[in-house]
Amino acid sequence: AQSVTQLDSHVSVSEGTPVLLRCNYSSSYSPSLFWYVQHPNKGLQLLLKYTSAATLVKGINGFEAEFKKSETSFHLTKPSAHMSDAAEYFCVVSDFPGGGADGLTFGKGTHLIIQP
Amino acid sequence: DGGITQSPKYLFRKEGQNVTLSCEQNLNHDAMYWYRQDPGQGLRLIYYSQIVNDFQKGDIAEGYSVSREKKESFPLTVTSAQKNPTAFYLCASSEAGRFTEAFFGQGTRLTVV
Repeated sequence: AQSVTQLDSHVSVSEGTPVLLRCNYSSSYSPSLFWYVQHPNKGLQLLLKYTSAATLVKGINGFEAEFKKSETSFHLTKPSAHMSDAAEYFCVVSDFPGGGADGLTFGKGTHLIIQP
Repeated sequence: DGGITQSPKYLFRKEGQNVTLSCEQNLNHDAMYWYRQDPGQGLRLIYYSQIVNDFQKGDIAEGYSVSREKKESFPLTVTSAQKNPTAFYLCASSEAGRFTEAFFGQGTRLTVV
């Protein structure tokens, strides 16, 4: 069985300061892990994904995440927040052996607020 | 442009009515999915289809029905049996295979009036 826990429902940072969104997972297999971003009343856009290659994954818009197997974590970071980063962020895990997005488990989301 | 198109963006339903949400993709993906999103609950899988003319129930299929007559299309019907249908509905598609990510449409917000 797999699960994912986003440790903060809301995170507030000032523009120009670093962003850290925390995600822990559990998995029976070697997981694949994703971060998605959702702006209000929009669909989800993939930020980055981990697929058992490099443990530090770089994504779009300056975001990156590090896969730490020993800590079962996949935290999302960005060195300097921008106002346009304000959105909902979802950590997603899949350890479905056959692959496919039907095996995805979504976290409950972290709402990122950027203060001017 | 390749992508997934959901329509309508907003939909209002009276009690006891069935409504159908449209989802079309031109990404040539075999697999398509419907998710329901409620505030603070993440996304929950309603139905998915790995191939034309075949589909499986997800975690919350009760009160919903789907069809997959064409590779490009995966409409979702919210029936009167769904007791709490007000939600944001997201359609997605993906390629087959491990490590595949889902590509999402822009969503349909359904409100019961």
